[in-house]
Amino acid sequence: GDSVTQMEGPVTLSEEAFLTINCTYTATGYPSLFWYVQYPGEGLQLLLKATKADDKGSNKGFEATYRKETTSFHLEKGSVQVSDSAVYFCALIGGATNKLIFGTGTLLAVQP
Amino acid sequence: SAVISQKPSRDICQRGTSLTIQCQVDSQVTMMFWYRQQPGQSLTLIATANQGSEATYESGFVIDKFPISRPNLTFSTLTVSNMSPEDSSIYLCSVAGGSSYNEQFFGPGTRLTVL
Repeated sequence: GDSVTQMEGPVTLSEEAFLTINCTYTATGYPSLFWYVQYPGEGLQLLLKATKADDKGSNKGFEATYRKETTSFHLEKGSVQVSDSAVYFCALIGGATNKLIFGTGTLLAVQP
Repeated sequence: SAVISQKPSRDICQRGTSLTIQCQVDSQVTMMFWYRQQPGQSLTLIATANQGSEATYESGFVIDKFPISRPNLTFSTLTVSNMSPEDSSIYLCSVAGGSSYNEQFFGPGTRLTVL
């Protein structure tokens, strides 16, 4: 079945460092791909998405590119801030069921 | 995007009791879902709440433990029945539909602790 694999955390960075959180997927057909963010004590927020190969999703300085050839959707940000500290979930929707399948989540801690 | 509210935001319950969680959306949506997030874990889909018919449950979840109602296109409830400490989790509803059919938007979650 469909699945999402993302790098384990925690990821600890200093402010203004470059961020990469790896995400790869397994799916039949052409899934839509998402990054969600969960700030401490809050629910999930959609951060960005991409619905077809080579699409780049971007929001709040974060970017991810849908790479069909490597089945990847890595999250990047050029300069992280303390306020970016959160758990980041990679997810996909495949087929016609509209069911979201999540990765395990990656905790990002940004230190001043 | 839809604005989603959940009640209660958190609760502490005794073993053996039941809790009903409400999810309200500010617009009509095609699909509503309920997820569980156990401490330190990712999200697991419990069921799809179907308007006017029985919910569709995922493997490992049953109606007797997690009865769901969806009386209209803006509201759903999830009941956690006969609770045990293992039910301590965050329960989230999400919605999809309209112009962003393949996007899901999440409510703020209900943090449940069972003693």
